[in-house]
Amino acid sequence: EPEVTQTPSHQVTQMGQEVILRCVPISNHLYFYWYRQILGQKVEFLVSFYNNEISEKSEIFDDQFSVERPDGSNFTLKIRSTKLEDSAMYFCASTQLIFGTSGANVLTFGAGSRLTVL
Amino acid sequence: KNEVEQSPQNLTAQEGEFITINCSYSVGISALHWLQQHPGGGIVSLFMLSSGKKKHGRLIATINIQEKHSSLHITASHPRDSAVYICAGQGGTDKLIFGTGTRLQVFP
Repeated sequence: EPEVTQTPSHQVTQMGQEVILRCVPISNHLYFYWYRQILGQKVEFLVSFYNNEISEKSEIFDDQFSVERPDGSNFTLKIRSTKLEDSAMYFCASTQLIFGTSGANVLTFGAGSRLTVL
Repeated sequence: KNEVEQSPQNLTAQEGEFITINCSYSVGISALHWLQQHPGGGIVSLFMLSSGKKKHGRLIATINIQEKHSSLHITASHPRDSAVYICAGQGGTDKLIFGTGTRLQVFP
């Protein structure tokens, strides 16, 4: 079964350092997302991406965050200068069709990248 | 503001029991997703509903649009069903608004 692959599975970094989290979505998927989950809290939307541009972003997704699809297969989330409060599990997700256009459409999540900022 | 509320927060059951998890959502949410999160953290989509009822194996999801309420049922529960079950609402865009999750433990 096709999978969304995320790397690294766990990254530890010092406050102020730049971090890049990588995702390889399913090959025929067109819509890409980043979500995050701070330990013990609910999953929160960060950003959605379609046709090589951001289609929506949350208030969390400030100037310290950026996303890119550099080579047609990878989808990356960059945090420019990490803060302690960026420590969380970051989930990449992808879907073939935008919701509502097909009942069979499935949003597929990666296993997550755990980021620890010290 | 779009919101999603789940109950109960925690649920324990004996193997074989019928389980129901409830989700209420606010105006502006047009579809409801049910997801399963395992202890390792991975998230799996179970259902997406905008009306009626869907069934997959022992899982059944229903939605009542007038009451803005959805339920996830697990028939003949099994210890391997132990996980966090999350409902998430989708409004006018494709982002999901997650509930806090229901932690289910099924004992043999």
